[in-house]
Parts: sequence; C-alpha cells; structure tokens
Amino acid sequence: GQQLNQSPQSMFIQEGEDVSMNCTSSSIFNTWLWYKQDPGEGPVLLIALYKAGELTSNGRLTAQFGITRKDSFLNISASIPSDVGIYFCAGQEMNRDDKIIFGKGTRLHILP
Amino acid sequence: GAVVSQHPSWVICKSGTSVKIECRSLDFQATTMFWYRQFPKQSLMLMATSNEGSKATYEQGVEKDKFLINHASLTLSTLTVTSAHPEDSSFYICSAKRGVGGSPATQYFGPGTRLLVL
Repeated sequence: GQQLNQSPQSMFIQEGEDVSMNCTSSSIFNTWLWYKQDPGEGPVLLIALYKAGELTSNGRLTAQFGITRKDSFLNISASIPSDVGIYFCAGQEMNRDDKIIFGKGTRLHILP
Repeated sequence: GAVVSQHPSWVICKSGTSVKIECRSLDFQATTMFWYRQFPKQSLMLMATSNEGSKATYEQGVEKDKFLINHASLTLSTLTVTSAHPEDSSFYICSAKRGVGGSPATQYFGPGTRLLVL
C-alpha cells in the first residue's frame, strides 16, 4: 500500500518561532490532510487540500498540496504554547475513497 | 457539530477477557465508521471499516475473529477485543464519516480509548 514519509520526527523550538514540516509519498494522493493530536486525544483536522498546487491557510497555519501530488508541507507561524502536540499528515489512498493513510507524525515541543 | 464520542476512555483488563469499546456519532448519522489502533509514539493504523447493517471490512493482517465489529445503527459502532492479551494494549481510535462519498475530510475522530491488558 501507499506510505507517507513525514519529517522531521520531532522539533524543539522557542515560542514565537515559525515551524515547517513536510510529507512525501512515492505515489500520488488525491487528497492531503493535516491533523493535530494532543496527548490522549484523537486527531483533529487542521487543513484539507484537494488540488495540486493548492495553498490553504487556517489562521497561523498554511499548507500546500505539491504540484506532483506526492508531497505537502505545513507551516506554523509565530508558534505559541498551545501548538505543542503531534502533527500528522495524511492522504486519501488512490481507489479507496474513505481510507486515510497517516504519516508517522511530527512531535512539536516548545522550549520555555 | 460533528462530535464523536468513545466509551470507555480507558480500560484495564486481565489477559484472556474481552473488552467492548463503543463509538458514537452524537449529532450526525454515520453509515461508515472506522477503527484505528495507535501504539505509543506511532502513527494511526486503520484496522477496519464498519458499515451500518453489513459486515466490517478488515485491513490486511487484522484478525476479524479477534476484533469483532458491530455497526448496528447509524450512530453506534462497537469494537470488541476478544481474549485480550498484553500485546493488544494500545490506543484505539474510531472515526465516523458524515454523509456518503465525498472527501475523507468528513471523517471525524473520537477521543480514543486506551486499553491496558495485564
């Protein structure tokens, strides 16, 4: 099946810094999704991307669907303490309308 | 809107016992629900797709006789871990899809159930 490579695995930043993380795939995805998971909770959708090249923002978050449809990035500007958590990229598998494949996650830590 | 709940939020059981986890869509009907498993510091892995009124579809490598899924109504799916063993200890997360077809972004996730098998 399709797999997603997400990087970096973890990040340690200062409050106020910008953050960037990305996902790549060896094959094409129809839809890219970015989720945030807080400890002990289920993932919450941040941004959904549907078209190659699409750039979408949600507050301080910006994500783009790569032109090749094999990659996506998520940027967080001016990080704040509540941004701490695990960010997952996810994609809709080809020919499986409902199946979502998750990346391994990027753990964001904000240093005091 | 689009709230999904799970019960219980955590459970501890003895090895060999069965555990039932409920997933409910509180403010919408879900013909399709999904069950995921997440081990510590790992990603979410889809276990099975649950369709109301029909048999669940299991992903490769998931034992259907061990993980029994029942989607008896448009707002409730249950996952029963039968004869649980310590290696079944994990975080189980469900999602419910609002509507039919469309984007996977219409899947809403529950808060998860942490299972610890002693």
